[in-house]
Amino acid sequence: QSVLTQPPSVSGAPGQRVTISCTGSSSNIGSNYDVHWYQQLPGTAPKLLIYTNTNRPSGVPDRFSGSKSGTSASLAITGLQPEDESLFYCQSFDSVLNGVVFGGGTNLTVL
Amino acid sequence: EIQLVESGGGFVKPGGSLRLSCKGSGFSFPNVWMSWVRQSAGKGLEWIGRSKSETDGGTIDYAVFVQGRFIISRDESTNTLSLQMDSLKPEDSAVYYCTTDFYCSNEGCYAGTLGYWGQGALVTVSS
Repeated sequence: QSVLTQPPSVSGAPGQRVTISCTGSSSNIGSNYDVHWYQQLPGTAPKLLIYTNTNRPSGVPDRFSGSKSGTSASLAITGLQPEDESLFYCQSFDSVLNGVVFGGGTNLTVL
Repeated sequence: EIQLVESGGGFVKPGGSLRLSCKGSGFSFPNVWMSWVRQSAGKGLEWIGRSKSETDGGTIDYAVFVQGRFIISRDESTNTLSLQMDSLKPEDSAVYYCTTDFYCSNEGCYAGTLGYWGQGALVTVSS
């Protein structure tokens, strides 16, 4: 059971928009800790996709965007492309656990 | 270019020990926080612990599940982060990643995000 809750899977057709939610609590996202997102392609290490809630590392297309509100955060992907098929994880910090916490991961399928 | 290269993975029997190493380059190793994260086959990411820089106290924080079986250390002279794992169990079988606890963009460096990852070291615990 992950501290942050993500939907196990989402899907969309090429060109469509999808969102992935990340729900936390008052001891992590709700305590104003930043949320970060990672993308993991099959057989590879996770890669930073969004940092400090809304920022994209260089090289990440602006089709990917992050937001945060209250005890939740979201990752939006517009203009879906087949190569977007991968796993996505959200991450934050938890003050009760005094450590980094992850969501369970969301598998994106491009139909 | 920031790089992290892990080594030391392998096969070990239950109850055994293994030591993973992660050599960093392209950044000022003594001044940064570093973490270990693992991923069991078909499962999600699990944070193991992190080592703070000496300038920030040099303390090490662990996830609750570690329960004293794992020890994180760092050697500033060789820019190496280590993970000593003892009393290994089959459920410890996973790919182990070392990460930096920062990301640097053209505008600056941001702490708290696992910005750079190694390629991963596979650990298999089985009799």
